[in-house]
Amino acid sequence: SQQGEEDPQALSIQEGENATMNCSYKTSINNLQWYRQNSGRGLVHLILIRSNEREKHSGRLRVTLDTSKKSSSLLITASRAADTASYFCATDARAAGNKLTFGGGTRVLVKP
Amino acid sequence: EAQVTQNPRYLITVTGKKLTVTCSQNMNHEYMSWYRQDPGLGLRQIYYSMNVEVTDKGDVPEGYKVSRKEKRNFPLILESPSPNQTSLYFCASRGSGANVLTFGAGSRLTVL
Repeated sequence: SQQGEEDPQALSIQEGENATMNCSYKTSINNLQWYRQNSGRGLVHLILIRSNEREKHSGRLRVTLDTSKKSSSLLITASRAADTASYFCATDARAAGNKLTFGGGTRVLVKP
Repeated sequence: EAQVTQNPRYLITVTGKKLTVTCSQNMNHEYMSWYRQDPGLGLRQIYYSMNVEVTDKGDVPEGYKVSRKEKRNFPLILESPSPNQTSLYFCASRGSGANVLTFGAGSRLTVL
């Protein structure tokens, strides 16, 4: 079963708007990561947030982590058409033998 | 350039005809893994390898074999492919002490 589940499954926004997607997970984690996948291509690592961190930034990306709620969010600010992709959260959980477990992803469409 | 290379990128085959998808990485990574990606199911791990000659089952290993004779290569073998193995396959690797995966570009397999 999936450890991380993203919400929403799909998101459509206009260029320049912000995009927010959420990830919920079930068991304690060492860290949580976000990956991006352009259509039919390999996943690319975006950002990693450790269990003792609450917020992390990388360029136009902002990730938050709430371990009490077992949830994380990814915010893309000032979106661009090139941000159109699927975004996946992946959890590194002790209970899973420290392997990464991926959620089902959020498909983001940024309209020009 | 540091990368994970998969071949073939696209393959159409018939039920029962053995095939191998190769995966090679040039980053001297210890850990390598195979995933399959299906609509609505996200990425599911097939097999992984912690190092040379060490392999283990992931979440969906049935119908697949792997080997890890050299550090850089981790081929995925389908001895007798069936239509339910039609999928998009990804190889990924990471170094020891890191849990960020580098993915290959993917191999789209169709079994008729």
